[in-house]
Amino acid sequence: GEDVEQSLFLSVREGDSSVINCTYTDSSSTYLYWYKQEPGAGLQLLTYIFSNMDMKQDQRLTVLLNKKDKHLSLRIADTQTGDSAIYFCADPSGGSYIPTFGRGTSLIVHP
Amino acid sequence: DTGVSQNPRHKITKRGQNVTFRCDPISEHNRLYWYRQTLGQGPEFLTYFQNEAQLEKSRLLSDRFSAERPKGSFSTLEIQRTEQGDSAMYLCASSFSSGGEQETQYFGPGTRLLVL
Repeated sequence: GEDVEQSLFLSVREGDSSVINCTYTDSSSTYLYWYKQEPGAGLQLLTYIFSNMDMKQDQRLTVLLNKKDKHLSLRIADTQTGDSAIYFCADPSGGSYIPTFGRGTSLIVHP
Repeated sequence: DTGVSQNPRHKITKRGQNVTFRCDPISEHNRLYWYRQTLGQGPEFLTYFQNEAQLEKSRLLSDRFSAERPKGSFSTLEIQRTEQGDSAMYLCASSFSSGGEQETQYFGPGTRLLVL
């Protein structure tokens, strides 16, 4: 079945850029998602990218997609303490609307 | 619109008891999804509805689990004879699908279940 992999932790200094990486196995998706989850809360959609795009920029967020390597990344510029959360990559694979989520990357922002 | 809401937010129960959770989706969203999330994991799909029809169920949804969406609006998820392994966060999400390729799911805050 579909597999989505993420590194579990990332620690950055406030003001630096954060890059969260994700690899996936199913290449049939027409789009991929990034979600953010704060402690004790549900998931908040951050952004998505269509598979025919290489890059998408939305304010401080930049998503890069490398379809050949099945690699997706999320860059957060000027990372703030409020960005501390768990970030999930999600792939609605196989023509389904049902996403497979990675285990999430815990982003820790320190002063 | 206040978004997806779930009740209760927390539930503690004893093993063997039945529990029921409720999800109220964003109004006019025709699809509703249930997920389970355990500590350190991403959400895992359980089941989804299009209007009142339950269209897909995961292997994770054992016969102790049942979900309904009787009028195509709110949904309930019931777990019978709870086990300690059912302890998790149960997330609901809703979306509007017009049959196109792109569909965005909006998540509720979840119901955290602890089975003692």
